[in-house]
Amino acid sequence: DSGVTQTPKHLITATGQRVTLRCSPRSGDLSVYWYQQSLDQGLQFLIQYYNGEERAKGNILERFSAQQFPDLHSELNLSSLELGDSALYFCASSGGGFYEQFFGPGTRLTVL
Amino acid sequence: GENVEQHPSTLSVQEGDSAVIKCTYSDSASNYFPWYKQELGKRPQLIIDIRSNVGEKKDQRIAVTLNKTAKHFSLHITETQPEDSAVYFCAASLGGADGLTFGKGTHLIIQP
Repeated sequence: DSGVTQTPKHLITATGQRVTLRCSPRSGDLSVYWYQQSLDQGLQFLIQYYNGEERAKGNILERFSAQQFPDLHSELNLSSLELGDSALYFCASSGGGFYEQFFGPGTRLTVL
Repeated sequence: GENVEQHPSTLSVQEGDSAVIKCTYSDSASNYFPWYKQELGKRPQLIIDIRSNVGEKKDQRIAVTLNKTAKHFSLHITETQPEDSAVYFCAASLGGADGLTFGKGTHLIIQP
């Protein structure tokens, strides 16, 4: 157990819908990262937040957005969902040194 | 941006033998190189990492080497055991300044 929690574990929805994925980092970690894992794209970095502020952006679509709240939990919002958005979404957190990232159990999103 | 190539995509070794997985990266500014192990349906788990000021790091049966000049790094697993069977990912990043860029993964199969 990495100490990073994610909810829900599974999410099934329809094309065009909007969903919110939630992540709580390890105790004391200020940085949260979001990743998408799919068979064709592999593991891809989406976005990083540090202490409530956006710090780095990866291959995140405009239909996707994220935020980090004062209690340091983070949410990833996915809108206008397409079949190709079906994937495993992981959250990771790291401490003050930034280096080591510890992953949560993931949310499996299925878009029908 | 950073690009990480990983080889081989599948590696089958006899139990007790050694396994070597190799990665190359493109951005000479990258300074942090972690390796993750992922079992089917589970989260990526950090197994070892190396920073650019170090050439080699060892942790029991696992070692990582880094050649900054050639921009490649390798994972070495000795005395392989059945529980080593998993997908292994290499990654590179600018420390805390960005997310991780992952290789495509190596499916390691330990034959009894």
